[in-house]
Amino acid sequence: AQTVTQSQPEMSVQEAETVTLSCTYDTSESNYYLFWYKQPPSRQMILVIRQEAYKQQNATENRFSVNFQKAAKSFSLKISDSQLGDTAMYFCAFVRPTLNDMRFGAGTRLTVKP
Amino acid sequence: DARVTQTPRHKVTEMGQEVTMRCQPILGHNTVFWYRQTMMQGLELLAYFRNRAPLDDSGMPKDRFSAEMPDATLATLKIQPSEPRDSAVYFCASGRPGTGDYEQYFGPGTRLTVT
Repeated sequence: AQTVTQSQPEMSVQEAETVTLSCTYDTSESNYYLFWYKQPPSRQMILVIRQEAYKQQNATENRFSVNFQKAAKSFSLKISDSQLGDTAMYFCAFVRPTLNDMRFGAGTRLTVKP
Repeated sequence: DARVTQTPRHKVTEMGQEVTMRCQPILGHNTVFWYRQTMMQGLELLAYFRNRAPLDDSGMPKDRFSAEMPDATLATLKIQPSEPRDSAVYFCASGRPGTGDYEQYFGPGTRLTVT
C-alpha cells in the first residue's frame, strides 16, 4: 500500500523567514507524482507544487521549492520569505498515474507570525 | 478563471435523511473525483469518474453512498440514509484529458453535518 507521512503536525515561522515541511512516502513504484497542497481557513485545496518522480530536478514555484530525494522517499517543501498568507494546512500527496489512487498525508499546520 | 463549483457549501440534516451534493467540473475536464475530509481520517478518495464512467468507487461505503455523472457538467454524491458519522467536508475535484490522472483542481467543498 502507498502511504504518505507528515511527521510535523504543527509548525510556525516568522514572517520573511524560511521554513521546511517534511514528507516521506512509501511505494514500490518507480513512476508516480508528488504534490504539496495548501488548505487555508477557507478550506479550498490549492495546488502549490508538483514533482514527477522521473525528473531529477527539484520543482520550484516562486517562493516554493521541493527537495525530492527519490532513494530516501522524501519530499520536503521549502517556503522562502514566508508571508502571512502562507498560514494554512499543508498536505503532501502521492499518486500513481492511471490508477488515480491519490493518497494524502495527515497535514502540517503552518502559522506565519508577524 | 475556471473553477470547480460545489453546492451546497453547507448542509445540516438529521440522521436518516437523504443528502445530495453536486459538483460542476471545469468545462472541458473529463475526470471527476470525490473526496471526504475528516479530522480522524484526513482526506480519503471516495470515487472517481473518467468520461462520466465510474472507474473506482472502492473507497465509498456502498450501502448508503452513491455517485453519478448524469452529464459531463454535473457529478452528484448521494447519501441515503445519512448518519452522524458522515459528517465531514466533501470535496470534488476535476482534471483535464491527459493530465487528469495526476493534476486535480479542487472545489471549495461541502461541509455536511448530520445530527
